[in-house]
Amino acid sequence: NAGVMQNPRHLVRRRGQEARLRCSPMKGHSHVYWYRQLPEEGLKFMVYLQKENIIDESGMPKERFSAEFPKEGPSILRIQQVVRGDSAAYFCASSPRTRRTDTQYFGPGTRLTVL
Amino acid sequence: AQKITQTQPGMFVQEKEAVTLDCTYDTSDQSYGLFWYKQPSSGEMIFLIYQGSYDEQNATEGRYSLNFQKARKSANLVISASQLGDSAMYFCAMREGPGGSEKLVFGKGTKLTVNP
Repeated sequence: NAGVMQNPRHLVRRRGQEARLRCSPMKGHSHVYWYRQLPEEGLKFMVYLQKENIIDESGMPKERFSAEFPKEGPSILRIQQVVRGDSAAYFCASSPRTRRTDTQYFGPGTRLTVL
Repeated sequence: AQKITQTQPGMFVQEKEAVTLDCTYDTSDQSYGLFWYKQPSSGEMIFLIYQGSYDEQNATEGRYSLNFQKARKSANLVISASQLGDSAMYFCAMREGPGGSEKLVFGKGTKLTVNP
């Protein structure tokens, strides 16, 4: 059973470009979460999605960031017009249900560098 | 207000000894879950152990155990018989619910170094 897959593992963008980060949850998991980790910091929640629905986006910046989890295919975190402050590790996690006991399993992360 | 506090930025332990990593939390919920994750230098986040607020027994997973003191709102991770491969960042996290947000709230982490 493959774990959570994220690609690319490393992404370099120039200021003003777009970044697209992909996440395929574990088989059987229908809940996807995105987190951001700045250098020397813990992870900060960004958004929680189920198939075709955004459930909680309280951690997403209001501008330039969007996320989707279509019926078919991976979840996508999209950052438009990237700035240097967007440089961070972006982690995706998945879980099978929403009970408090359900562990969120993390992917390997995408390291975004904005030049 | 910070919900998860890890007061030890760095810890050192000798190989084969036990080490305790501290975590205190703040919540008004009666139902919540506490998690520990390990992040080695390669960067991935590895789930270690889970403790539910209603669980009466302290959680254990191999060499990992969680010292859960509900009245003190602490959930310390104990690693027994440390190994060199245990050197990593360790993050404590909390999930509130049911009915609360589904997100995990993380502490800032503790960097553990295991010396030979």
